[in-house]
Amino acid sequence: AQRVTQPEKLLSVFKGAPVELKCNYSYSGSPELFWYVQYSRQRLQLLLRHISRESIKGFTADLNKGETSFHLKKPFAQEEDSAMYYCALSPGRRALTFGSGTRLQVQP
Amino acid sequence: NAGVTQTPKFRILKIGQSMTLQCAQDMNHNYMYWYRQDPGMGLKLIYYSVGAGITDKGEVPNGYNVSRSTTEDFPLRLELAAPSQTSVYFCASSLSGPDYGYTFGSGTRLTVV
Repeated sequence: AQRVTQPEKLLSVFKGAPVELKCNYSYSGSPELFWYVQYSRQRLQLLLRHISRESIKGFTADLNKGETSFHLKKPFAQEEDSAMYYCALSPGRRALTFGSGTRLQVQP
Repeated sequence: NAGVTQTPKFRILKIGQSMTLQCAQDMNHNYMYWYRQDPGMGLKLIYYSVGAGITDKGEVPNGYNVSRSTTEDFPLRLELAAPSQTSVYFCASSLSGPDYGYTFGSGTRLTVV
């Protein structure tokens, strides 16, 4: 069975510092991976997906199959990036498996 | 365009009571999902549906039932509520599967006492 691990419950950085939110996965097939975000008092929403290879709000994520990781990165954190971030894996046409989430706190 | 609507937002149940959590979407999405989120944990899949009349169990289906009689609605039924079902429940939908991204509802916070 697939599994998604986010080892940090809380990541606190200062504004302007680089951010890396870690995500590791275990899956026997070829995964599709996603990052979802929940800002305060808002709904969970899709941030970015591996298959699109996009950069959203300055965030990027690279799939490393050798290390089975999909870490989320941003070179310069902004206060508005403070939120809960969830890594998720799609095992095909079924449903996403989510990690436990990391709370990012960007201090002024 | 309302997206995914969940009702109620909050509910307190007594042990042994039953209730239905409502979920409706107006985007003509085929796939719908129910997840629960316990404190400090990730979202765990309860049930999902790939279309009207088709449902399947997820990771934690015990104590719950679902039906999908229309494309729009996917209610989650709790029979004989237990304290272990205290959680935040999220409904989500997707056009053609998880690879297309989910649209989430705002969640229902349920407490069983």
